[in-house]
Amino acid sequence: GQNIDQPTEMTATEGAIVQINCTYQTSGFNGLFWYQQHAGEAPTFLSYNVLDGLEEKGRFSSFLSRSKGYSYLLLKELQMKDSASYLCAVRDKDYQLIWGAGTKLIIKP
Amino acid sequence: IAGITQAPTSQILAAGRRMTLRCTQDMRHNAMYWYRQDLGLGLRLIHYSNTAGTTGKGEVPDGYSVSRANTDDFPLTLASAVPSQTSVYFCASSEPGQGSNEQFFGPGTRLTVL
Repeated sequence: GQNIDQPTEMTATEGAIVQINCTYQTSGFNGLFWYQQHAGEAPTFLSYNVLDGLEEKGRFSSFLSRSKGYSYLLLKELQMKDSASYLCAVRDKDYQLIWGAGTKLIIKP
Repeated sequence: IAGITQAPTSQILAAGRRMTLRCTQDMRHNAMYWYRQDLGLGLRLIHYSNTAGTTGKGEVPDGYSVSRANTDDFPLTLASAVPSQTSVYFCASSEPGQGSNEQFFGPGTRLTVL
């Protein structure tokens, strides 16, 4: 079967750094996506990795290791507005997205 | 304003009733998707369409049907609603295939089946 694992919930402090991990076992691999979802809203795209390494985009970075089936999303200089769920998704051999259950990130002042 | 719209925003439905959730996009994307999102579970694909005139089954297609008569519209129909179909339904669109073709999501429809 296909499986995406993420921690259910994490807590961090405003201004700090947090790393959200994602491990996956899927039928094929054609890229990994991170999305942000605020409560009651739709998911919005954050990042895409298809090759090993780090992709940086402002305060957010995403890392991929295909050999380990592992990715992380790194959020720096945390702000209160970063309180949201972060969804990891892998595009499988059929080019469909397989989604993790999401990590709820709580930011405390 | 470019994007995806869904209707209705929310609905309470009696079990056994028929219901169509509407989805329209104006980004001229070829691919469209219907997901359901339940607490503690990831988004699960119900049906998809890679281009107008074609549709495919996702992970949880039973009890749902779709049509894709044109590029812009992708309605989802529940023929006879059951309480287990209580969920938040998201429609999404993208360009299909390789590359960083991210999916864009509509605002969702919150459906309660009693």
